[in-house]
Amino acid sequence: DADVTQTPRNRITKTGKRIMLECSQTKGHDRMYWYRQDPGLGLRLIYYSFDVKDINKGEISDGYSVSRQAQAKFSLSLESAIPNQTALYFCATSDYTNRGRNEQFFGPGTRLTVL
Amino acid sequence: EDKVVQSPLSLVVHEGDTVTLNCSYEVTNFRSLLWYKQEKKAPTFLFMLTSSGIEKKSGRLSSILDKKELFSILNITATQTGDSAVYLCAGGNSGNTPLVFGKGTRLSVIA
Repeated sequence: DADVTQTPRNRITKTGKRIMLECSQTKGHDRMYWYRQDPGLGLRLIYYSFDVKDINKGEISDGYSVSRQAQAKFSLSLESAIPNQTALYFCATSDYTNRGRNEQFFGPGTRLTVL
Repeated sequence: EDKVVQSPLSLVVHEGDTVTLNCSYEVTNFRSLLWYKQEKKAPTFLFMLTSSGIEKKSGRLSSILDKKELFSILNITATQTGDSAVYLCAGGNSGNTPLVFGKGTRLSVIA
């Protein structure tokens, strides 16, 4: 969905490096999410934010941090990357004012490899 | 703890076959059940169901929800190779917490 963009789309880095993944959206949604996807493990929630001043840990937040710079921007940081953080990362958004639908819209994903 | 369980985890069928994918859920203050299709990219939305017994249809795909037995099924008739994907099921509540996703069913349709 072009309304949710992620940068970079691919990244190879080394153990111990600090990495930031960025997500921007033009959908006007207030809620944003970061997931990682590993083969056989489905989508696992890292962090989510229901508005600019709200940050919540998901099921696998250790080793990650986030920043909600504006309603439209939500960044994920790996302070010191390790090989088991190699995965496909997705950003998603949803609309609280239409929360009856619960629908989340996903960005194109960032494939991160930590050597 | 809320959870969504999908079965089977993977499935291989021939073109033209009909398949049924299963999703059971335990979600506090349940409100909706969503199906997504994921090819080699981001998940894309297929259906959202909120009421029991009402079938949602889109071409060869259809889905139904049973709120008493806490499950949903996704049917695909006359499968095509383009249906090959991972199908994700997610449960949503009244909006206080994010969707809970299942691990997905990987469907492979061979010619």
